[in-house]
Amino acid sequence: GAVVSQHPSRVICKSGTSVKIECRSLDFQATTMFWYRQFPKKSLMLMATSNEGSKATYEQGVEKDKFLINHASLTLSTLTVTSAHPEDSSFYICSAYRGTDTQYFGPGTRLTVL
Amino acid sequence: AQSVTQLDSQVPVFEEAPVELRCNYSSSVSVYLFWYVQYPNQGLQLLLKYLSGSTLVKGINGFEAEFNKSQTSFHLRKPSVHISDTAEYFCAVSVRVLTGGGNKLTFGTGTQLKVEL
Repeated sequence: GAVVSQHPSRVICKSGTSVKIECRSLDFQATTMFWYRQFPKKSLMLMATSNEGSKATYEQGVEKDKFLINHASLTLSTLTVTSAHPEDSSFYICSAYRGTDTQYFGPGTRLTVL
Repeated sequence: AQSVTQLDSQVPVFEEAPVELRCNYSSSVSVYLFWYVQYPNQGLQLLLKYLSGSTLVKGINGFEAEFNKSQTSFHLRKPSVHISDTAEYFCAVSVRVLTGGGNKLTFGTGTQLKVEL
């Protein structure tokens, strides 16, 4: 099956610092990747759609200046949480399309902001 | 816009018993339907999907689901569950976006399946 990786799997940072999370499609090329945020015992909330070679499309209510997304190649998208605060602590999950109908998900990144 | 309803937030079941996890959706256009499973502190794994064709879809780990257009449902079933099936299960729908590639997914709120001895 399609494999998507995320790095790091867990990160703890101080308030005010920035954190970068990488999402890679390991065995396929993905023109479209998605970034989700998941709160404890809650469903996934789509944050943005990342298209290779173009600007990301953010969902309503998501601050694009705070959550910077870069889709630099067909196998890599990055999410940078800038000036992180404790309320940004969450589980961040990326996904990538293989073909045009099915998303494959990464294992997630647990961000804790102190 | 489309939406997904998973009425059962928790489903307890004994090992080797059958289980059904319910999913209903609403959409004004044709949709693709998916079931994903999430184990603690992990990402989502695709269980099965309905894109077109046969309404009975078989997936991994012995799960199956049936697409019922008239009832707008896509319930997930397994005839005999195992302890290892304990996880969170998410139903999702998608429609094709107009630009770019790939379809946006709309998720239900999830159903926690707890298999007990």
